[in-house]
Amino acid sequence: AQSVTQLDSHVSVSEGTPVLLRCNYSSSYSPSLFWYVQHPNKGLQLLLKYTSAATLVKGINGFEAEFKKSETSFHLTKPSAHMSDAAEYFCVVSEFGFQKLVFGTGTRLLVSP
Amino acid sequence: NAGVTQTPKFRILKIGQSMTLQCAQDMNHNYMYWYRQDPGMGLKLIYYSVGAGITDKGEVPNGYNVSRSTTEDFPLRLELAAPSQTSVYFCASSYSIEGLSTDTQYFGPGTRLTVL
Repeated sequence: AQSVTQLDSHVSVSEGTPVLLRCNYSSSYSPSLFWYVQHPNKGLQLLLKYTSAATLVKGINGFEAEFKKSETSFHLTKPSAHMSDAAEYFCVVSEFGFQKLVFGTGTRLLVSP
Repeated sequence: NAGVTQTPKFRILKIGQSMTLQCAQDMNHNYMYWYRQDPGMGLKLIYYSVGAGITDKGEVPNGYNVSRSTTEDFPLRLELAAPSQTSVYFCASSYSIEGLSTDTQYFGPGTRLTVL
């Protein structure tokens, strides 16, 4: 069975400082991994995805994530936070080639001026 | 190109009432999905469909029904609403070929349902 654990329910940063949102996964097979973002009262939007190609994945809005098989991690980073990054972030796993997604419980990113 | 649309945005139901949540996509996607999101939790899959006329259960299907008569529409039916069904419901779609890749799902804006 697949699962993801998002290690922080809330992360607070100041504008202009780096962002790190942590995610560990468990998967019996080759996983596909995703980060989705949800702004208040909005649907989810894909930030980036890993599907067994390059281990460092670049996404939209300056975000990137690195797939580390030895650590079973897929942490999301951004060098410099912007106020507009304040949102809920979900780490998601799926068995490669299949469409059923398993979501983490989310990390709320707070960005202060 | 509207993407994935959902109606209504909000709804309050009384226990035992029924309703249908509407979902439509205009991207010619073959897969469609229904999820629920409870406070402090990730999304959980209720039902999904791989094409018109084909549906299957997800992780939490009890209390719900779906149908898919067209590629574009995937309504979710609640027959006897219960307080446990208070949640935010998201519809999503993707163009997928099972076994080849796990594809991006595109989400609608959600329906916030309260059952009292």
